[in-house]
Amino acid sequence: GQQLNQSPQSMFIQEGEDVSMNCTSSSIFNTWLWYKQDPGEGPVLLIALYKAGELTSNGRLTAQFGITRKDSFLNISASIPSDVGIYFCAGQYTGTASKLTFGTGTRLQVTL
Amino acid sequence: SAVISQKPSRDICQRGTSLTIQCQVDSQVTMMFWYRQQPGQSLTLIATANQGSEATYESGFVIDKFPISRPNLTFSTLTVSNMSPEDSSIYLCSVDGPRGETQYFGPGTRLLVL
Repeated sequence: GQQLNQSPQSMFIQEGEDVSMNCTSSSIFNTWLWYKQDPGEGPVLLIALYKAGELTSNGRLTAQFGITRKDSFLNISASIPSDVGIYFCAGQYTGTASKLTFGTGTRLQVTL
Repeated sequence: SAVISQKPSRDICQRGTSLTIQCQVDSQVTMMFWYRQQPGQSLTLIATANQGSEATYESGFVIDKFPISRPNLTFSTLTVSNMSPEDSSIYLCSVDGPRGETQYFGPGTRLLVL
C-alpha cells in the first residue's frame, strides 16, 4: 500500500539539541497525526492536526499541517534521552473511512 | 483515549499452524483496525472491522489468510492462518478516537514463525 515519505530515516543527536523531521505525500490529507513508538510497544499518539496551516504544540513537541495539505513536520526542542524511539507520521483522508496511511518512520537516537 | 489490550503479547509458532490474536477495548467503539508491522518497517493496514458486518480488507490481504471477528463493540480477533516465516511481524489493533479522526493503538502482538 501507499506510504508517506518521511525524512530523515534516522538521526543521531546529542541531548539538548533540537530535532526536525518531515513527511510528504503525493496526495492531500484532511488530518495529519504524529506517533512515537518505543521498542516493544504500540505507537502512541503525540499530536493531531486537523486544519491546513495549523501549528500545534504538545510540551517540547511542535507540529504543523502544511498549507498544501500534502506535508507536515514535527519539531522536538531540547531533546532528552527518553525521546529515543521511532516517530511515524500518518495521514488520513476523510473519505477513506478513517484509514491511516503511515510514513516510513524516523529513528531517533539521543546521546548524552 | 481508549485503553486497548492485546493477547497474546508475543508468541513463537510453527509454520502451518494458526494463531488468533485478541483485542479488547475499555469502551465501545465503532471501528477497529488491524495492522501489520514487519521487522524494521512501518505499519500497514490489514483490514477494518465494524461490528455486525464483514471486515473490509486492504489490497494484498485476504479473508482466508487473516479472518477477523467483531462480535461486539469492545472486542475483535485476528487470526493468522497457515503461518509461514514471512508472517513474522508485530500485529497491532487500533480504534478510532471520539472524533473519529485519530487512532489509538494497542501494545501489539509479536509473532515469530519458525
